[in-house]
Amino acid sequence: DAMVIQNPRYQVTQFGKPVTLSCSQTLNHNVMYWYQQKSSQAPKLLFHYYDKDFNNEADTPDNFQSRRPNTSFCFLDIRSPGLGDAAMYLCATSRGGGTLPYEQYFGPGTRLTVT
Amino acid sequence: QQQVKQSPQSLIVQKGGISIINCAYENTAFDYFPWYQQFPGKGPALLIAIRPDVSEKKEGRFTISFNKSAKQFSLHIMDSQPGDSATYFCAASVSGAGSYQLTFGKGTKLSVIP
Repeated sequence: DAMVIQNPRYQVTQFGKPVTLSCSQTLNHNVMYWYQQKSSQAPKLLFHYYDKDFNNEADTPDNFQSRRPNTSFCFLDIRSPGLGDAAMYLCATSRGGGTLPYEQYFGPGTRLTVT
Repeated sequence: QQQVKQSPQSLIVQKGGISIINCAYENTAFDYFPWYQQFPGKGPALLIAIRPDVSEKKEGRFTISFNKSAKQFSLHIMDSQPGDSATYFCAASVSGAGSYQLTFGKGTKLSVIP
């Protein structure tokens, strides 16, 4: 089945220790997104890639970076995690181009704990 | 301008009842309104979506009602079942090349009790 896969599902890191979360997709979608979702809150878009074109949301902290080495993979790097970065991180994909918004397909998320 | 307000925050419905979740928006440029369903430990999944050129869309037990003049839309779940217990998010976005941001409401946690 075509899907969005996130690894790991659970990640524990220490305060200030860099961490990388990964996302892969078999949908061959050209747009990939990273969202942060804190407990009982709505998902908040951090950034997205349209193919290799990176688009950062204005209020995304510099502490968060992303890489997309190819169509299938996208990584979220948190350079110096703080306690406030503990959250569920969701990867999503969609088709792109044209003038219609396309359905976003979400992965199961990575639950990040910062100790 | 970008906010989507969702209510109620939580909802308890008896099995077989109707669940109603409401959303309101300010940005008149929004023209795509999806609803997402999220189970604990899972990512959100698209449930149903509507564009403002129609006032209602129905898919099985799920119906979106849309009131363009009031800038409100709602999700109705008929014959609610325990398996519908989840968090529901309304969202809105603007069509157009290069516009990929979904603005989510804060979510409604639905519990359907037997």
